[in-house]
Amino acid sequence: GQNIDQPTEMTATEGAIVQINCTYQTSGFNGLFWYQQHAGEAPTFLSYNVLDGLEEKGRFSSFLSRSKGYSYLLLKELQMKDSASYLCAVMDSNYQLIWGAGTKLIIKP
Amino acid sequence: DAGVTQSPTHLIKTRGQQVTLRCSPKSGHDTVSWYQQALGQGPQFIFQYYEEEERQRGNFPDRFSGHQFPNYSSELNVNALLLGDSALYLCASSLAHSSSGANVLTFGAGSRLTVL
Repeated sequence: GQNIDQPTEMTATEGAIVQINCTYQTSGFNGLFWYQQHAGEAPTFLSYNVLDGLEEKGRFSSFLSRSKGYSYLLLKELQMKDSASYLCAVMDSNYQLIWGAGTKLIIKP
Repeated sequence: DAGVTQSPTHLIKTRGQQVTLRCSPKSGHDTVSWYQQALGQGPQFIFQYYEEEERQRGNFPDRFSGHQFPNYSSELNVNALLLGDSALYLCASSLAHSSSGANVLTFGAGSRLTVL
């Protein structure tokens, strides 16, 4: 079966750095996405990785290792507004997105 | 530039009833996907519509059906509602042939369905 694993919940301090991990087992791979979802709102696109390595976009970076079936989302200089759920999703060989359950990130002052 | 709009935002139904949810995609997008998201879970893919046809379908029963109109808007219909159908229903639009190579989805805020 297809599976996406990510921690259920993480807590970090304002101004700090946090890394949210995602491991996956899917039938084929056509890219990995990270989305942010605030409570009661729509998921919004953060990043896309299809090749191994680090993609940096402002305070957010995403890393991919296809051989390990592993990705992480790195958030720097955390702000209170970063409190949200972070969803990892992999596009499989049928170009269908398989989603993780999401990691709820709690930022404390 | 309007993003993805969904209606209604909230609704309450009873077991056995039928429901229709509506979605207007982001301007310029031609593909609409529907997802079911239970509380504390990630979205589960229901189906995707392109050129008015169902192109892909997830592991959902035939009670779940849909339609795409010539203006790219879409409807999700659920018949014979069960208590377990209570969830947030998300519509996402995208461009079938994106020059960037990444099929990035733009989501609506969702329709929260409660089945009593």
